[in-house]
Amino acid sequence: DTAVSQTPKYLVTQMGNDKSIKCEQNLGHDTMYWYKQDSKKFLKIMFSYNNKELIINETVPNRFSPKSPDKAHLNLHINSLELGDSAVYFCASSQGINTGELFFGEGSRLTVL
Amino acid sequence: GQQLNQSPQSMFIQEGEDVSMNCTSSSIFNTWLWYKQDPGEGPVLLIALYKAGELTSNGRLTAQFGITRKDSFLNISASIPSDVGIYFCAGPRTGNEKLTFGTGTRLTIIP
Repeated sequence: DTAVSQTPKYLVTQMGNDKSIKCEQNLGHDTMYWYKQDSKKFLKIMFSYNNKELIINETVPNRFSPKSPDKAHLNLHINSLELGDSAVYFCASSQGINTGELFFGEGSRLTVL
Repeated sequence: GQQLNQSPQSMFIQEGEDVSMNCTSSSIFNTWLWYKQDPGEGPVLLIALYKAGELTSNGRLTAQFGITRKDSFLNISASIPSDVGIYFCAGPRTGNEKLTFGTGTRLTIIP
């Protein structure tokens, strides 16, 4: 059983398109995150939700919109994709917001052409 | 923004060697964590440290929470091929729930 699962694992698309990445966790955690990992492997937080409420919203373009329909799911929708959006996007979850003990998904590699 | 600097950036070692890496910050952290990322996978938590001066082991891995609370160290003894990957330190600053990741140390084992 996969604890944190993301789909799709790979996504190749053209500039200007809109795409979504889905994430589900079966750990019973109440907090979920989206991280972006660039080509230099820097991991940067984008968003965090606790019990479906947005608690961290980093300086991310408005084209990125997270949605948490319930505490087990956190999806990421990206509008008008740009070349610079190419990266690996990781979903993660944790029990509580003040813990650094995150469980990560396998990542979704987005390539914008 | 806040960045955790890891050293060295990369390491090339032979199987069986011991490995040492560190992580430094200009800010005080109240928790230090070490993650490992295998190629094509997400990071996995190795060790969590919660108290200044704390020394914690997980098998061949040993990590320490620096006394100043601005650094942490990770040692791997008798490295094996599956130790290959990128090691990240991470921590939330005091009073801040956001987890910041370090710049990473890439470990490669030379045959």
